[in-house]
Amino acid sequence: KAGVTQTPRYLIKTRGQQVTLSCSPISGHRSVSWYQQTPGQGLQFLFEYFSETQRNKGNFPGRFSGRQFSNSRSEMNVSTLELGDSALYLCASSLASGGAQEQFFGPGTRLTVL
Amino acid sequence: AQSVTQLDSQVPVFEEAPVELRCNYSSSVSVYLFWYVQYPNQGLQLLLKYLSGSTLVKGINGFEAEFNKSQTSFHLRKPSVHISDTAEYFCAVSVSGNTGKLIFGQGTTLQVKP
Repeated sequence: KAGVTQTPRYLIKTRGQQVTLSCSPISGHRSVSWYQQTPGQGLQFLFEYFSETQRNKGNFPGRFSGRQFSNSRSEMNVSTLELGDSALYLCASSLASGGAQEQFFGPGTRLTVL
Repeated sequence: AQSVTQLDSQVPVFEEAPVELRCNYSSSVSVYLFWYVQYPNQGLQLLLKYLSGSTLVKGINGFEAEFNKSQTSFHLRKPSVHISDTAEYFCAVSVSGNTGKLIFGQGTTLQVKP
């Protein structure tokens, strides 16, 4: 069974631009979560989607948004990029939503903002 | 609110020696506990999890962890480490309910020396 895939793996953007990252969950998984990883702040929860509905949102500005499609694939969008948005963005999928669910992580998208 | 503290940012250890990576959490409600490992340029892989039942949990690659409710700790142990265990380790918590939001500690870098 294929794992979680994220595209692109690497991305370079300039300040003020916007970016869209994509995540394909493991087949059959209906929940997708996104995390931001930086050296200073560590791993921080961005949002979670289940059956195309946002279940939870972390403490990030409105420039960060996401969505989930009917096939469970998810995208996250960051508008008006800032230097501080440079990070590794990780996507995780699970069969269902809930604290006891095992989350399977993708390799991440490394975003660099210049 | 929940929080996770990993008490050591770096743990150097010689090959075949035992190791313990410490994790303490804070929560006013019951939590589920996880340990993840991250190898360079990769996503996170689940080592083990505590949901309920026996407080000693065994995971992959010879790791185990013990849940101590009175001390709010979930320390990770391995009796004999290998060079290949060199990686970053993250302790995380989630709460019961219909959200899979994970709250991570800052991570511990395990450096196994020959």
